[in-house]
Amino acid sequence: DAGVTQSPTHLIKTRGQQVTLRCSPKSGHDTVSWYQQALGQGPQFIFQYYEEEERQRGNFPDRFSGHQFPNYSSELNVNALLLGDSALYLCASSFVVGEQFFGPGTRLTVL
Amino acid sequence: QKEVEQNSGPLSVPEGAIASLNCTYSDRGSQSFFWYRQYSGKSPELIMFIYSNGDKEDGRFTAQLNKASQYVSLLIRDSQPSDSATYLCAVPTNFGNEKLTFGTGTRLTIIP
Repeated sequence: DAGVTQSPTHLIKTRGQQVTLRCSPKSGHDTVSWYQQALGQGPQFIFQYYEEEERQRGNFPDRFSGHQFPNYSSELNVNALLLGDSALYLCASSFVVGEQFFGPGTRLTVL
Repeated sequence: QKEVEQNSGPLSVPEGAIASLNCTYSDRGSQSFFWYRQYSGKSPELIMFIYSNGDKEDGRFTAQLNKASQYVSLLIRDSQPSDSATYLCAVPTNFGNEKLTFGTGTRLTIIP
């Protein structure tokens, strides 16, 4: 049984560019949450998708947007990248009510 | 006051001793609490969760919850070098599946 998968593993972009990160949830899970983890900090909640809709959103600007597909996979898009967007981006999946399981993350570096 | 607070450490514990990790939270209505372990360069891994006051044991791990004091802890008995990691306390906004609010994590080092 595959766990949560994310792609790509690493990504280097320059300021002002746009990036798309992808996540496939664990089999049987229908809810996907995205988190940003800066170095030395705990993960910060970006938003959560359920039934292809954004269910809850954290304190992140509109430059951060997402999407969930009918197969429950999800994308995180970040526009107009800033140096401060450099972080580990984590996807977590769960089933309705239950513990969240994290994927391996995507390390984004903005130069 | 931060919503979830942890001592960032580092916490150094001799091999075989008990490691004690602490977490306080501000929302008195919080119902459930999660402990994640994160190795350097890796993603968080769920190791324990607790909903009820008191202790919950799972192998060498014991989670302790005191809702009156808004305090949750994680004890690791017979600490092993492989336990060296950052331990994150996480509190969901509602029971189960809402957003998780994490502390900054406590970095634990087990000294052989």
